[in-house]
Amino acid sequence: AQSVTQLGSHVSVSEGALVLLRCNYSSSVPPYLFWYVQYPNQGLQLLLKYTTGATLVKGINGFEAEFKKSETSFHLTKPSAHMSDAAEYFCAVRTGGGNKLTFGTGTQLKVEL
Amino acid sequence: KAGVTQTPRYLIKTRGQQVTLSCSPISGHRSVSWYQQTPGQGLQFLFEYFSETQRNKGNFPGRFSGRQFSNSRSEMNVSTLELGDSALYLCASSVNPGQGQETQYFGPGTRLLVL
Repeated sequence: AQSVTQLGSHVSVSEGALVLLRCNYSSSVPPYLFWYVQYPNQGLQLLLKYTTGATLVKGINGFEAEFKKSETSFHLTKPSAHMSDAAEYFCAVRTGGGNKLTFGTGTQLKVEL
Repeated sequence: KAGVTQTPRYLIKTRGQQVTLSCSPISGHRSVSWYQQTPGQGLQFLFEYFSETQRNKGNFPGRFSGRQFSNSRSEMNVSTLELGDSALYLCASSVNPGQGQETQYFGPGTRLLVL
C-alpha cells in the first residue's frame, strides 16, 4: 500500500524567502505524485504533478518539485515566498489504475512580513 | 468551462438523521471521486465512480454510500449520522479514472456539521 509523509505540519517563512515543503512517499510501484493547495474554506487546487518523464516539474504560481526516486521524495519549492502563498499544502500519491489519491497530513504555510 | 460544483455548501444535521450531498463534475468528465476531510483524520478517500459504477471504495462503514447518474453527476449519502461525520466532503472529477496524465479537479466542498 502506498503512503505519504509530510514533514512539518507548520512551516513559517519570511516574504521573499525560499519555500521548502517536504514530502516522502512509500510505494511498491512507480507512483504518480501530486501537490495540491487549499485556501481557507475552499477545495483543493492542483499545483503540479509528476507522472512520467522529466523529474523536475514546474507548476503554477512559481512552484516546482523534483521527483527523486532514490530518496523517495517529492519536495515542493518556491524561490521567493509571497503573502498570497499562505495556505495549506497537501502531497498525494496515486498508484495503479483508478483515481484514489492517498494524501499526506498537510503542511500549513505561514508567510510573514 | 464551469468547475466542479457541490451542493449544498453548508449543512447542519442532528445525530441519527441522514444526508445526501450532490456533485456535478466538469462537463465531459466521467469519473467522480469523494473524499472526507477532518482535522483528526485528514483527507480520506471514500469512493470513486465511473460510468455509473463504483470502481473503488475506501475504508468507511456501510452508512456511507454513493451513486452516479448517466449524466455523470454523483450523490453521496450518509445514513444514521454520528458526531464524527462532521467534516468537509470534497468531490473531484476527471475525464477518465487514473489514466496516466489524468488530473482530478476538486470542488469547493460541502461542510457538514452534525449536532
